[in-house]
Amino acid sequence: EAQVTQNPRYLITVTGKKLTVTCSQNMNHEYMSWYRQDPGLGLRQIYYSMNVEVTDKGDVPEGYKVSRKEKRNFPLILESPSPNQTSLYFCASSLGTARPQHFGDGTRLSIL
Amino acid sequence: GENVEQHPSTLSVQEGDSAVIKCTYSDSASNYFPWYKQELGKRPQLIIDIRSNVGEKKDQRIAVTLNKTAKHFSLHITETQPEDSAVYFCAAKGAAGNKLTFGGGTRVLVKP
Repeated sequence: EAQVTQNPRYLITVTGKKLTVTCSQNMNHEYMSWYRQDPGLGLRQIYYSMNVEVTDKGDVPEGYKVSRKEKRNFPLILESPSPNQTSLYFCASSLGTARPQHFGDGTRLSIL
Repeated sequence: GENVEQHPSTLSVQEGDSAVIKCTYSDSASNYFPWYKQELGKRPQLIIDIRSNVGEKKDQRIAVTLNKTAKHFSLHITETQPEDSAVYFCAAKGAAGNKLTFGGGTRVLVKP
């Protein structure tokens, strides 16, 4: 089954404790992206990747890091999380930038 | 960068009536415009998309129109049904770069 898998689905943590949200897709997609979703603000792009070892900033990259060492995986790293990063996060993948994106089920992060 | 505005933020319609959501974008060179539907607690899913070389696209009860001169595109849902109740997001991809910018979303409620 074609899917984008995110882990964990839920996480409550404290300020400053490094965390990683994993994202994996099994569709051999080149383009992968991370979004955060906040009430009234829609989906805002954090980082995206055009292919292995190629990443670029989206609209809200501050406080986040990503890596793309393998085509299928695109982890999101919060090295020193802060309460303003409490949000619902979605990973997505697609064949290209102007192609339909397949979203994961989301990760709800709460940073106290 | 690209800026996408979406209106209205909430829309209530009677079952069987039509619903129209409008988005405006700032980058005149934007070339790809998808629409996503997000049901409560679920991931966003693509419902229809349109490219800049096409003025209108239809898929059963859903249609999207694009006016490049005015820089706006609209989603039309005809004969609405209760299962159309969801949040709908428009998005636009600028010609320069590979970012996808989303509108703030429209919460649609179809009353039986």
